[in-house]
Amino acid sequence: SQTIHQWPATLVQPVGSPLSLECTVEGTSNPNLYWYRQAAGRGLQLLFYSVGIGQISSEVPQNLSASRPQDRQFILSSKKLLLSDSGFYLCAWSVHPVQYFGPGTRLTVT
Amino acid sequence: KNEVEQSPQNLTAQEGEFITINCSYSVGISALHWLQQHPGGGIVSLFMLSSGKKKHGRLIATINIQEKHSSLHITASHPRDSAVYICAVDNTDKLIFGTGTRLQVFP
Repeated sequence: SQTIHQWPATLVQPVGSPLSLECTVEGTSNPNLYWYRQAAGRGLQLLFYSVGIGQISSEVPQNLSASRPQDRQFILSSKKLLLSDSGFYLCAWSVHPVQYFGPGTRLTVT
Repeated sequence: KNEVEQSPQNLTAQEGEFITINCSYSVGISALHWLQQHPGGGIVSLFMLSSGKKKHGRLIATINIQEKHSSLHITASHPRDSAVYICAVDNTDKLIFGTGTRLQVFP
C-alpha cells in the first residue's frame, strides 16, 4: 500500500534561519507531488508541484523553494525564514485524480 | 471572487442533527474532493466525486456538474464529527481549495 511520510511534525525556527522539510512516498512510482501551505485562519494554498525528478512548478512567488532529487522525495526549503512563513505545510501525492495527503508539519517562525 | 466557495463558514449542531455543507465552483473540473481536517491539522480524504452521489457510513456527498455545486451531508451527527470540512476541485491535476467549513457538534 502507498504511504506518505513528512517530517518533522512540528518545528519552531527563528526568523532568518534556514528550513528544510522532507516528504517521501512509498508504494508508488512516478507520482505527482505537491506542497501546500495553510496559514492561520486561511485555506490551503498550493505552493509547488512536481510531475517528475527535477521538475518543479511554483504556483505563487515566495520565500520558499522546492526540489525533487529522487522520484519519491520532495523537499521544501528556505534560505532565510520570514515570520509570514509560519503555517501548516502539507505534502501530497497523486496518481490522477486521487490525491493523498501527508500528516503535515506545523512551522512556527519566531 | 474565489473559484471555490463553501458555505457556511461555521456551523454548530446538536448531536443527532442532519448537517449539510455546500460547495460551489466556477472552473472546469475533472473531480471534486471532500476533505476532513482535524484540530491537529491532519487531512483525511472523505470522497472524490466526478458525478452523482457517494455514501460512506453517515456521510453522503453529491455533485451536480451542470450547476457546479456539491453538497456534503452528515446524518445523525456526533461530536467526533467536529472538524473542518474542505471542498477541493481538481483543475488540470491541481487542487483548488475552498476555505473550509468549521463544524462543531455538541452533545
